[in-house]
Amino acid sequence: NAGVMQNPRHLVRRRGQEARLRCSPMKGHSHVYWYRQLPEEGLKFMVYLQKENIIDESGMPKERFSAEFPKEGPSILRIQQVVRGDSAAYFCASSLTQSEKLFFGSGTQLSVL
Amino acid sequence: DQQVKQNSPSLSVQEGRISILNCDYTNSMFDYFLWYKKYPAEGPTFLISISSIKDKNEDGRFTVFLNKSAKHLSLHIVPSQPGDSAVYFCAASDNNNDMRFGAGTRLTVKP
Repeated sequence: NAGVMQNPRHLVRRRGQEARLRCSPMKGHSHVYWYRQLPEEGLKFMVYLQKENIIDESGMPKERFSAEFPKEGPSILRIQQVVRGDSAAYFCASSLTQSEKLFFGSGTQLSVL
Repeated sequence: DQQVKQNSPSLSVQEGRISILNCDYTNSMFDYFLWYKKYPAEGPTFLISISSIKDKNEDGRFTVFLNKSAKHLSLHIVPSQPGDSAVYFCAASDNNNDMRFGAGTRLTVKP
């Protein structure tokens, strides 16, 4: 399967714990995007990364959230000290070049108890 | 700021009829527009796109229309089928920007 792979599909955390969401882009894609979808809402842009660089993190909360896309390995979205409001579906997408059509993973559903 | 707006959260149509989903945008720098379709518990999948140099793009039952002066685009599905029932997201980008999505419209096609 050469698609965008996200894991885990479901992640349950208690308030105050850390959540790590992983995304492996499509083969050959070096552009990765993270989006968040809250219940009954659309897809909200969080962060755009290119290998080893954060290009745009304007949609990501300044505190507790961080993202990386190392030279080797998947992109990681990290949420520290999770709160109930972080409960959402987090989607990763990749593209061959910037602004080309995005290919999405199946998402990680984060539930904070 | 909501640069891409889908003002209708839901739409219901009869099988065989036309579905028209609308989208408005505010950023005049957007030059590439896309529609994505999303089923529950799955990621969005690309459906159809249009560049700003065109005003219409057709792919089978799906046609996207772009009205640059009105900053408006629409997706037409004809004839609609029950399998088309999903959430449809409009998206837009420019060369220097990331892709921005609307809030989505839930389409229900009744048999």
